[in-house]
Formats: sequence, C-alpha cells, structure tokens
Amino acid sequence: AQSVAQPEDQVNVAEGNPLTVKCTYSVSGNPYLFWYVQYPNRGLQFLLKYITGDNLVKGSYGFEAEFNKSQTSFHLKKPSALVSDSALYFCAVSPSHTGGFKTIFGAGTRLFVKA
Amino acid sequence: EADIYQTPRYLVIGTGKKITLECSQTMGHDKMYWYQQDPGMELHLIHYSYGVNSTEKGDLSSESTVSRIRTEHFPLTLESARPSHTSQYLCASSEYAGFIQFFGPGTRLTVL
Repeated sequence: AQSVAQPEDQVNVAEGNPLTVKCTYSVSGNPYLFWYVQYPNRGLQFLLKYITGDNLVKGSYGFEAEFNKSQTSFHLKKPSALVSDSALYFCAVSPSHTGGFKTIFGAGTRLFVKA
Repeated sequence: EADIYQTPRYLVIGTGKKITLECSQTMGHDKMYWYQQDPGMELHLIHYSYGVNSTEKGDLSSESTVSRIRTEHFPLTLESARPSHTSQYLCASSEYAGFIQFFGPGTRLTVL
C-alpha cells in the first residue's frame, strides 16, 4: 500500500537553530512531493513542491526541502528557525499519473520553536 | 481577493440532523476536494470533483454526499448526522492541470 510517513509527532527547536522535519514515502513511480503548513484554526497552506530537477527545492518563508530518491525521503529544512514557524507541517505525495486526486498526506509533525 | 471559504467554521448538532457544509472558491479552479481530518491524523479524501456536474467518491468511505452545480461551489451534505461524523472537514481546490491544492479554513463538526 502507498503511504507517507512522518516519523516525529513533534519537533522542538530553539529559535535561531536549524530545523528538520522528516518525511519518507512509499509510492510507486516518480511522484510529486509537497510540504504544507497549517496554523491554528486555518487551512493548510502550500510551502513547496518537488516535481523534477534539482534535489534541493526552495519555498515560502525561507523553507527548503531535500529530495533523496534512493531513500525515498523529502525532508523539510530551514537554516534558522523563528518562533512564528511553530505550526503543524504535512508532507504530501501525489502519484504523477493521478491528476492530484490521489494525493496522500502524512499525519503531520508539530513544530515548536522556543524563544 | 481570490480565496476559498468554508461555512460554518464550527457546528455542534444533535444526532439525526441533516447538515450541509458550504465551500466556495473564487479562484476559478476546476478541481475541488473534501477531506476529513481527525486530530493528529492524516487527511483522508472523501469526495472530489473535476468540474461542474462531476463528483466522485474518495478513498475514505463516507456517508456524505456532494454536488457541483457551479464551478465555485462544492457543498457537502450529511442526511443524518451521527457521533462518528465528528471531525474536521477541509475543502480544497486546484487548477485542472495543477497538483497544488488551496485549502479553506475548515469546519469543525461535533455531533452529540
């Protein structure tokens, strides 16, 4: 079965430190990969995507993600965390032939940035 | 401003009531989606639509129904609500050829 795993329920970092939120997937073919962020009482917001090309993709708010095909991972990173980055982060994977209707979301990782 | 709206934001109702969750988008997107999201859990697709007069069931079995009479409007209806329907419901849309989804703020439903 196809799946997306976010192994950490919560990640705690100090403001100014680098952060990593992990995501691995088990989806056949060459899927499209996404990160979304959800702030309290809000819907999910798109952060960045990987379709093809450079393994390091840059997105909104200074976030970037690194695609590793051999490890089927797509970890979210930021060089210097801000308190305002505290939110719930979802990794999502979409098989390229499904037109986006079969996007699989991870369970989410709560990021807590301490001042 | 182009956006996606959901009403109500919060709803508490009794068992057996009929309810409709509203979703509207002003982005002109063809594709729309309904997801169910429980706390700490992944999103589950319950309905989707390619465009007007197109509706399909998603991966998660749901007793709800949807309609798509206008491009911008994609309401979800529960004919008889039960406590097992208690959850957060998220509506989303995307361009026809696009994979990036734009989400509404969600409706948190509680059925007593």
